[in-house]
Amino acid sequence: EAGVVQSPRYKIIEKKQPVAFWCNPISGHNTLYWYRQNLGQGPELLIRYENEEAVDDSQLPKDRFSAERLKGVDSTLKIQPAELGDSAVYLCASSHGTSGRGDEQFFGPGTRLTVL
Amino acid sequence: DAKTTQPPSMDCAEGRAANLPCNHSTISGNEYVYWYRQIHSQGPQYIIHGLKNNETNEMASLIITEDRKSSTLILPHATLRDTAVYYCIVRYTGTASKLTFGTGTRLQVTL
Repeated sequence: EAGVVQSPRYKIIEKKQPVAFWCNPISGHNTLYWYRQNLGQGPELLIRYENEEAVDDSQLPKDRFSAERLKGVDSTLKIQPAELGDSAVYLCASSHGTSGRGDEQFFGPGTRLTVL
Repeated sequence: DAKTTQPPSMDCAEGRAANLPCNHSTISGNEYVYWYRQIHSQGPQYIIHGLKNNETNEMASLIITEDRKSSTLILPHATLRDTAVYYCIVRYTGTASKLTFGTGTRLQVTL
């Protein structure tokens, strides 16, 4: 099966510019996650969707970050305006949404953002 | 979610077994132990999970102590492609529980 697709793979922008990341989860997966991974650290959850609904966005910096999953399939994460500290890898993951092995999360390759 | 403690790095010779330890002394009765790994420039990959019994799959074995306060991930015959950061995570099963990653163990497999 096709894995989680993310684009772009790399993005370099200047501070105060907007940026958007796109994710297409595995077909049939109801749950979608966005994580941020700083250099040398493990990923940290930003937001989790169950279908179209954001059910956990407690770690999303809402002053500059936004996300959407309008049709319950693909998703976009946006930063506006970007700051130097936003430089990181942004990972998207999806899971089927059932317990047991079904809640195994499948990760995409990530988007590496560099803010200059 | 319970906190985990892992050594920051380990080395293993190719072909030998790699034994990666994890301490999770505050684990609660309903929390599972999950292992993921992250190869350079890739997203994390699920390896295995268990509650209290030892588990084995095509990738690895998971040994959980009887008191569940620690566990060991075993890669029986490590190859160069197993070089990665390995994360031990304790969580409740189900999507309502997020994955809380620590800094993991960087495993270097050498010739």
